Amino acid sequence: EAQVTQNPRYLITVTGKKLTVTCSQNMNHEYMSWYRQDPGLGLRQIYYSMNVEVTDKGDVPEGYKVSRKEKRNFPLILESPSPNQTSLYFCASSSGTGRYEQYFGPGTRLTVT
Amino acid sequence: AQSVSQHNHHVILSEAASLELGCNYSYGGTVNLFWYVQYPGQHLQLLLKYFSGDPLVKGIKGFEAEFIKSKFSFNLRKPSVQWSDTAEYFCAVNENRDDKIIFGKGTRLHILP
Repeated sequence: EAQVTQNPRYLITVTGKKLTVTCSQNMNHEYMSWYRQDPGLGLRQIYYSMNVEVTDKGDVPEGYKVSRKEKRNFPLILESPSPNQTSLYFCASSSGTGRYEQYFGPGTRLTVT
Repeated sequence: AQSVSQHNHHVILSEAASLELGCNYSYGGTVNLFWYVQYPGQHLQLLLKYFSGDPLVKGIKGFEAEFIKSKFSFNLRKPSVQWSDTAEYFCAVNENRDDKIIFGKGTRLHILP
């Protein structure tokens, strides 16, 4: 089954404790992206990647890192999480940008205390 | 700055009512336009998209949208809504010369049975 998976689905952590949210897709997609969803703000793009070893900043990259060492994986790293990073995070993948549909993962609800 | 505006943040309708959700964008160039839907507790999925050709596009579940270039709009419509259409709806835009995808803030639709 074609899908985007994220782990963990739920995470509660404390300020400053490094964490990684994994994202994996099995559709051989070149484009992958991370979004955060906050009430009243919709989805905002954090980082995206056009292909292996190619990443770029979205609209809200501060406090996040990503890597793309393999085509299927695109982990999101929070080196020193802060409470304002409490949010619902979605990973997405597609065959490219432009006219291509994005396929979204199930989401990761992160709470930073 | 690039932006996407969804005029209605929260819409409440009765079953069988007609629906129109507004979406306007601020780009001047060629754009690719999308509507995504997020049902309660689920991840986003594509309703429909437009990138060229007939400006009236049809999507899944009886939804359609019309691209009006002169108004920079891509409004979503459905002639007769059902209780199962209760969800959050997001308009998204990609400008052809850019790899970023910008989402609107979303419209929460609540259908009364």
